[in-house]
This record gives sequence, C-alpha cells and structure tokens, in this order.
Amino acid sequence: QITLKESGPTLVEPTQTLTLTCTFSGFSLTTSGVGVAWIRQPPGKALEWLALIYWNDDRRYSPSLRSRLTIMKDTSENQVVLTMTNMDPVDTGTYFCARVLPSATLAYWGQGTLVTVSS
Amino acid sequence: FILTQPHSVSESPGKTVTITCTRSSGGIASTYVQWYQQRPGSAPTTVIYEDNQRPSGVPERFFGSIDSSSNSASLTISGLKAEDEADYYCQSFGPGVVFGGGTKLTVL
Repeated sequence: QITLKESGPTLVEPTQTLTLTCTFSGFSLTTSGVGVAWIRQPPGKALEWLALIYWNDDRRYSPSLRSRLTIMKDTSENQVVLTMTNMDPVDTGTYFCARVLPSATLAYWGQGTLVTVSS
Repeated sequence: FILTQPHSVSESPGKTVTITCTRSSGGIASTYVQWYQQRPGSAPTTVIYEDNQRPSGVPERFFGSIDSSSNSASLTISGLKAEDEADYYCQSFGPGVVFGGGTKLTVL
C-alpha cells in the first residue's frame, strides 16, 4: 500500500523559511523513473506545481518560484524535504506531496497540510 | 506551455459532459495528459492517466482522449451522477509538471 504524508509547521511568519517533509511508504525513491513532487493550493484556487525530484536526484522547479525552492531526498528515511524561503501571506495554502510515475502521472497524493503565513 | 480549461461546466444528472484542456504550445500528444478529480476538502485523485487510461476503481463513465487538430485533451463523463460534482484538473509535463487551471463541474 502506497501512502504519503506531509508534515511541517501550520503557521509561518512572513520572511521566514518554510520546511516541509513528505514521508512515504510502499515504494522506493531508488526505483528507476519514480519521483516525488510538491504541489500547493491556495484557498479556493487552483493546483500549482512547485518542485519535483527523481530517483536519480534530477530536480525540477517551477520557473516562477525557482529562486525560493530547494527539494531534497533522503532515501534511507523515505522522505522528501521542500524548503521555501522568504514566505509571504500569498503563500498561504495547502501543500501536497505526490508520487510521480515515469509517465508523469501523480499517482498517489498525501492528504495535504495547511500552511498559513501570518504575523 | 500552459493548459487552458473552462472555469466551470454544468449539466443535469444522467447527461454527458465534456471538459477540454487546450495546450498553448507544443503538441498535445508529445507528453501524456492526466486528469484529476478533487472534491472539497480532499486531495486530488487520478481519474485518467496517460491520455485515456482509467485507474482501477474509476467507472467506465470517465473517458479521456486527445485531439491533435485542436491541440487539446478532453475528459468526458457520461451518465452524470451527483457524486461527480467536483473540480477537475488536467496535467501534463514539460519540463516540469504543468496543471490546467481547473474546471468546476456542477451536476444540476
């Protein structure tokens, strides 16, 4: 059974750095073609892709947020960590992680974690 | 590239509805298109992957296709049920993940 779960702070102050962890089970990030992506969704708005890391450490970032994002993996712990710097209230939303297949299908999603940016 | 979806569609129970997803540049067939259903308060789930494949558990009422002439993908849902009311997102790739803006389906 494949599961993913996001964890991290629920409240972040403006200008701070957000660190989120995706802990997964049921698959390995050492398997060829597999990746883990981060996606966010502001309240009432559309899904927005943030970052993606593959089994071979290939990393992709949203062009509009590239300067603020870092994605890393810990295959021994089955975790993927996303950091986002210089948080702003517009970054408030639910952050999801998802398993990515070679076809680029986001096949399994975590439940999401709500992050609020406020002082 | 960007993927453009209608903001909303509505139809009556039992009817058929089609949601389109138009790719702005590059061929629609050059990378797979996926469709996700998202109900309020829940994470998205896959209803179509690799243009036209249904995951196990997704009813045959859900049908995916692509049309190179219009450079678009479509999700067609037949025999609409109240439970189909949700937001639907198309998604493709190049060189990162690209989502459409989402379509709110209302089953009247």
